[in-house]
Amino acid sequence: DTGVSQDPRHKITKRGQNVTFRCDPISEHNRLYWYRQTLGQGPEFLTYFQNEAQLEKSRLLSDRFSAERPKGSFSTLEIQRTEQGDSAMYLCASSLGGLTTYEQYFGPGTRLTVT
Amino acid sequence: AQRVTQPEKLLSVFKGAPVELKCNYSYSGSPELFWYVQYSRQRLQLLLRHISRESIKGFTADLNKGETSFHLKKPFAQEEDSAMYYCALSGRGGYQKVTFGIGTKLQVIP
Repeated sequence: DTGVSQDPRHKITKRGQNVTFRCDPISEHNRLYWYRQTLGQGPEFLTYFQNEAQLEKSRLLSDRFSAERPKGSFSTLEIQRTEQGDSAMYLCASSLGGLTTYEQYFGPGTRLTVT
Repeated sequence: AQRVTQPEKLLSVFKGAPVELKCNYSYSGSPELFWYVQYSRQRLQLLLRHISRESIKGFTADLNKGETSFHLKKPFAQEEDSAMYYCALSGRGGYQKVTFGIGTKLQVIP
C-alpha cells in the first residue's frame, strides 16, 4: 500500500461542466475525509465517511457537490455545473475510526481549475 | 461551533533560535488537538497530537484549557523545520469532523 491516492492530480474544466474526482484510501482505514483548500487557507472540511456511511456534510457543500463511498472503499467527489469559485485543491484523507480521532493520512490532492 | 485560530501567517526565525507557533481554539466540549505539517512539495502529515504527549523532531505542544491554546514550540530551530504548520481540532468521541486553522509558514533563516 503506497498511501492515499487521488486521481486526477490536475483538472482543468470550463465553467458549467461536471467533474468527478476519485480517492483511494489506505486499505484498512474505515474513515475517509474530503477537504477543499484555497490559496492562503487551511484545509476546509467538506464531508466524511465512516465505511460507506456519510456522517457529516459541511454547509460549504452546496447541492452541486455530492460524495459517495460505495462498499466503504474508494470515494468519489462530483461537482456539477462547476463555477470559477470551485477552483481549489481538493484533498482526501483517510484514517482508522473509533472512539477517538486518529491520525489522518492525506493524499496528494486534485487541483481543479475552472475557466 | 469549532474554530481554530493561527494568528501568524508567517513566522521567520534564525537558525538556533526558539520557535513558538501559536494556536488558539474555540470548542464547547473537550477537544482533541493536532499539529500537521506540510514540507515543500510533500503531503500534509501529522506532526503531533496532544493526547500522545510526545516530542516529535524536537517539537512539543501543551494543551492549555484555561487559555484555549495549543502552541507549538521548539527550543532551537533548524533549517529543515521550514514548512507550513496547521493546527487542527476535533471533538472527542470518535464521530467528529476535523477543523484546521489557516496555517503558519515557518521560515528558518540560516
